[in-house]
Amino acid sequence: NAGVTQTPKFRILKIGQSMTLQCAQDMNHNYMYWYRQDPGMGLKLIYYSVGAGITDKGEVPNGYNVSRSTTEDFPLRLELAAPSQTSVYFCASSYRQGATNEKLFFGSGTQLSVL
Amino acid sequence: TQLLEQSPQFLSIQEGENLTVYCNSSSVFSSLQWYRQEPGEGPVLLVTVVTGGEVKKLKRLTFQFGDARKDSSLHITAAQPGDTGLYLCAGARGAGNQFYFGTGTSLTVIP
Repeated sequence: NAGVTQTPKFRILKIGQSMTLQCAQDMNHNYMYWYRQDPGMGLKLIYYSVGAGITDKGEVPNGYNVSRSTTEDFPLRLELAAPSQTSVYFCASSYRQGATNEKLFFGSGTQLSVL
Repeated sequence: TQLLEQSPQFLSIQEGENLTVYCNSSSVFSSLQWYRQEPGEGPVLLVTVVTGGEVKKLKRLTFQFGDARKDSSLHITAAQPGDTGLYLCAGARGAGNQFYFGTGTSLTVIP
């Protein structure tokens, strides 16, 4: 049982390049999330999904896209990388039981630098 | 702008001291969680509080949810070096009940 797996762990991009951050969970969780963490700013929600085929925007979705074709996978796509997207990206998943019973399980993060 | 503000942002104390971390907002949350994050890892859930005024204890850690469900506090008694880490609060709100994270408090406990 691996939990939430993110790849790659580190990546350097040039301005304008594109890439996909991979996220997979093996806990059969219905909810999945992408957050970014900037120094001193906590985590900000980029996109989330409540199940396969359903995605929605979070606080900071601009410059990103997601898809959820299966329960297990939730990739995050950067189309035209910009220096403002330099950050640590965390994927998380949860199984929601009721409105207040939810535990987020996080991956170990992807550190992305755009130069 | 951040929905949840934490204070202090940084805290460095001696082993054995007590400390309190605050998480404040002008918004109401259906629940509030506290996480602890180690360098190079994702946050790990410590506790969830749901009811206004609720107090939960986890060994030397005491968590309180404000009566109006807009704020929370984390109190650590007799801090130990193993308590060192980044503490994050997260409040659930919105149509999808998403979690919004606070700005974080970086705690260092010096032996």
